[in-house]
Order: sequence, then C-alpha cells, then structure tokens
Amino acid sequence: DGGITQSPKYLFRKEGQNVTLSCEQNLNHDAMYWYRQDPGQGLRLIYYSQIVNDFQKGDIAEGYSVSREKKESFPLTVTSAQKNPTAFYLCASSWGRNTIYFGEGSWLTVV
Amino acid sequence: AQTVTQSQPEMSVQEAETVTLSCTYDTSESDYYLFWYKQPPSRQMILVIRQEAYKQQNATENRFSVNFQKAAKSFSLKISDSQLGDAAMYFCAYWGQGGKLIFGQGTELSVKP
Repeated sequence: DGGITQSPKYLFRKEGQNVTLSCEQNLNHDAMYWYRQDPGQGLRLIYYSQIVNDFQKGDIAEGYSVSREKKESFPLTVTSAQKNPTAFYLCASSWGRNTIYFGEGSWLTVV
Repeated sequence: AQTVTQSQPEMSVQEAETVTLSCTYDTSESDYYLFWYKQPPSRQMILVIRQEAYKQQNATENRFSVNFQKAAKSFSLKISDSQLGDAAMYFCAYWGQGGKLIFGQGTELSVKP
C-alpha cells in the first residue's frame, strides 16, 4: 500500500544523545515535512523540503537537522542542542498543494 | 509571515446538534488553500475538508461545511448532526505559495450523548 512510514513509533533519548527519526514515503511526492506537537498544542513546522537535496527551516528548526538525499526519504535528527525534545513528531508529504498525507507519528521521550 | 488563529481551545456539543469551530488567518497572498484536519486520540491526522481561496463557493463534505469569508480572512467549520465519533482535536491549516503548511493551535471538541 502507498503511504508514509515513520519509525520508530516510540523512542527514548538520554541526555546529550542525538537520535534520528525515520520517514519514508512511496507516494512519489516531491515535498516532505516534519512537525512537532506538544501536549494540547498545535503542529509546529520544523523543516520542509520541496525537492531532493534542498530543504528549508520551519518555525522551530533550532536543535534539529534533516537531509533529503532521496525523494522517498526525509530523516530528522534531534541533536543534543535541542533542550526539550520530548514531543510527538509527525512527518508528512505532498504533491503540489492538493493534499498533504501524514505518517502515524513518533513519540520521543528524554530519560 | 502567515498566521492561523483558533480562538476556541475547547468546544462542546450535544449529540445530533450543530457546532461551529472558528478560524482566522492572516496573509497577504491571494493564492492559498485552507484545510480543517481532525486528530482523534490516536493522533492520526485526518483531512476533513479543503477550500481553495479562488473558489467563492463554500466547500461541503457530508455533515461538514465551511463558511469561507476571504475578505475577513475567516474560515469556520460547521459540523451538523454531531456524532460521538466527531469528538477530537480539530486543526485549521493554511497552505500558501511558499510551500509551508501552517496550523492553528487547535480546538478540542467533545460530544455529549
């Protein structure tokens, strides 16, 4: 089936560690996005990419990094510089501005 | 920069009644799309309804309809004949020419039996 796959579903990070969240899509979409959602809050844009090998910062990019080496993959690294990384992370993809498709999300907890 | 505001953090409706969720946005663009998304406790994002800014006709999807007021930059969602399954967090979203999809803070809707 076509869709967006995020992994892992749950991830625990120790203080000072970098962790990477995976996002893969087989929809042949050009654009991909990463959002962060805190409890009771809306979705805030971290990074987005409209084409391979290019990406732009969103509203809360500090402490995060991304790469877009392949059209189907857009991994997000949460670095140790992100002081409060505990949150729910959603990946999405789109073709044009018709519709945006979301993955099922990843929960990241700092222990 | 574009912004999206949902001024109602929580709303409640009686089953079978009608409820309206408010959304306002700020933009200088003329070409954009507006969306309402539903997020149940599973956290899955579900598209409820979509509106193109160049279309004057309000979008409708079964029990869901919007009141799109472009000049006022308002985009409210009306849910008719509310059902228990409608209980969820609802997000208004703006998608402009820059390629960013921007969300409001959300409105948590509860449905009373």
